[in-house]
Amino acid sequence: GQSLEQPSEVTAVEGAIVQINCTYQTSGFYGLSWYQQHDGGAPTFLSYNALDGLEETGRFSSFLSRSDSYGYLLLQELQMKDSASYFCAPLSGGYQKVTFGTGTKLQVIP
Amino acid sequence: EAQVTQNPRYLITVTGKKLTVTCSQNMNHEYMSWYRQDPGLGLRQIYYSMNVEVTDKGDVPEGYKVSRKEKRNFPLILESPSPNQTSLYFCASSLSGKNIQYFGAGTRLSVL
Repeated sequence: GQSLEQPSEVTAVEGAIVQINCTYQTSGFYGLSWYQQHDGGAPTFLSYNALDGLEETGRFSSFLSRSDSYGYLLLQELQMKDSASYFCAPLSGGYQKVTFGTGTKLQVIP
Repeated sequence: EAQVTQNPRYLITVTGKKLTVTCSQNMNHEYMSWYRQDPGLGLRQIYYSMNVEVTDKGDVPEGYKVSRKEKRNFPLILESPSPNQTSLYFCASSLSGKNIQYFGAGTRLSVL
């Protein structure tokens, strides 16, 4: 079957670095996406890993280890506006089966 | 402007009264999908469509129907809504073979 685990909540200080972990179990795995969702808003795409290793996009980086079925999102130089929910989303089943899970609520404090 | 448009944004209805939530995208995307989001349950996929006339069930398809007669439109149909379908619904689209999904603003549905 499929499973997805992320911490439900994380709190971090403005200017710091935070890592949000994701472990997954899915058949026919293609890659791992990350999305951000502010309260009351729609999810927006952040990053995607198809291969093992680190992908960097500005203050955000995402890592994937296919052998460990594990990935993480790294947010650097945290800003108050980064307070949001973050979802890891494995792609499988013909590239378009997307599993989002319950996400991680990040609170950035001054 | 590239966008996914859902209508209505808010809807209150009663049990059993058929309703349709529309979704339209102007990016010529092949792939479209519907999700529902509930507190503590995250985003769950209801149905998705790989192209015109090609649809498939997601994780929670019971009580919903979809159709894809045109590439740009992917309506979600609730033939006989029930209170357990009260939720926040999102439509999304992407280019086939691309991993980036673009989401609509959401439709908040209450079934009384």
